[in-house]
Amino acid sequence: AQTVTQSQPEMSVQEAETVTLSCTYDTSESDYYLFWYKQPPSRQMILVIRQEAYKQQNATENRFSVNFQKAAKSFSLKISDSQLGDAAMYFCAYRGNQFYFGTGTSLTVIP
Amino acid sequence: ETGVTQTPRHLVMGMTNKKSLKCEQHLGHNAMYWYKQSAKKPLELMFVYSLEERVENNSVPSRFSPECPNSSHLFLHLHTLQPEDSALYLCASSEGFFQTGSTGELFFGEGSRLTVL
Repeated sequence: AQTVTQSQPEMSVQEAETVTLSCTYDTSESDYYLFWYKQPPSRQMILVIRQEAYKQQNATENRFSVNFQKAAKSFSLKISDSQLGDAAMYFCAYRGNQFYFGTGTSLTVIP
Repeated sequence: ETGVTQTPRHLVMGMTNKKSLKCEQHLGHNAMYWYKQSAKKPLELMFVYSLEERVENNSVPSRFSPECPNSSHLFLHLHTLQPEDSALYLCASSEGFFQTGSTGELFFGEGSRLTVL
């Protein structure tokens, strides 16, 4: 079965600085999607960014970008110019024939 | 209307109670999901419905009973739960159930926080 590992239960970043959240996954499939979801406290989980495995170019959404290393099965999220509103749980997810989620990284933004 | 709405947001029930969680999606999606979210654990997929047919049932105890009367509504009926069932229950929807050509991105509701006493 596919697994998704987030090795950083908690991270913190100074406001306006950059932080990278790590994610690795295990799969034997060649065609899949990867996602980062954000879950603010007591609020719904929303999609931050997605990456198609067949695309070599790393996805970017405003201040959010990924470093996708297919051979290494690594999919990290970089948040630039961190803002207080970025404080949340971040979940890495893999989608092949179904979704698999990591255990999440709790990000604190320090003013 | 937000995309996926869940009610109630909070629920406290005794082990002998019967209650239901409700989910409604306004996105025109064909697939709906129930997930269980517990602290420090990955989201656990419980049930999947595609076009109102159940397509996944991940060995969930029978005290959880799903119902999907149409493609916009999903219920989770709860009966004689255990304290370890206390968790955040998330409903999600997607365009289709992992259909080719679709990213299958999940859209989540805010969740129902369940406490079983």
